[in-house]
Amino acid sequence: AQSVSQHNHHVILSEAASLELGCNYSYGGTVNLFWYVQYPGQHLQLLLKYFSGDPLVKGIKGFEAEFIKSKFSFNLRKPSVQWSDTAEYFCALEGAGSYQLTFGKGTKLSVIP
Amino acid sequence: GAVVSQHPSRVICKSGTSVKIECRSLDFQATTMFWYRQFPKQSLMLMATSNEGSKATYEQGVEKDKFLINHASLTLSTLTVTSAHPEDSSFYICSAPGGVGDTQYFGPGTRLTVL
Repeated sequence: AQSVSQHNHHVILSEAASLELGCNYSYGGTVNLFWYVQYPGQHLQLLLKYFSGDPLVKGIKGFEAEFIKSKFSFNLRKPSVQWSDTAEYFCALEGAGSYQLTFGKGTKLSVIP
Repeated sequence: GAVVSQHPSRVICKSGTSVKIECRSLDFQATTMFWYRQFPKQSLMLMATSNEGSKATYEQGVEKDKFLINHASLTLSTLTVTSAHPEDSSFYICSAPGGVGDTQYFGPGTRLTVL
């Protein structure tokens, strides 16, 4: 069975601090990996995705994530967070060839001005 | 980018009544759509896959007779919560894949409150 685990339930950072949110997955095959963001009162939006190729992927708003196959990880990073990054972040996987997404439980990020 | 809409955004109903939620892909066609349920402080849980022209595929533990799904056209899927109970209160989200190599696009969600 496929699963996604996000280690941090709630992260609180000051503005300009660096961010790394952990995501590990379990899947017996080729995966596509995603990070979605849900700002307060808004719907899920794609931050970035990994399908193949360069394991370091860059997304919107200065976010990036690195796919490390040996560690089954896809951690999200941002060198300097802003107050506007306050949101909930979801890691998700999709088995290659399938459109079904499996989500992690999400990490709530609170950035203090 | 592609847009998925949901209607209504919020609904309150009495226990025992049925509620229909619509999910539309506004500028693209979707032969497949997905319905999720999101509990507070928890992940999105896939409930079912809606297939245009055929029966929906339900995830384990999801009652088919309670959560009726109809994929009426290439741009519309509906989820009907039948005989709703307070424990059905939740946030329901639909999504539609944009195509091969593309991501899924999510609707804004529908908050259902059953009194």
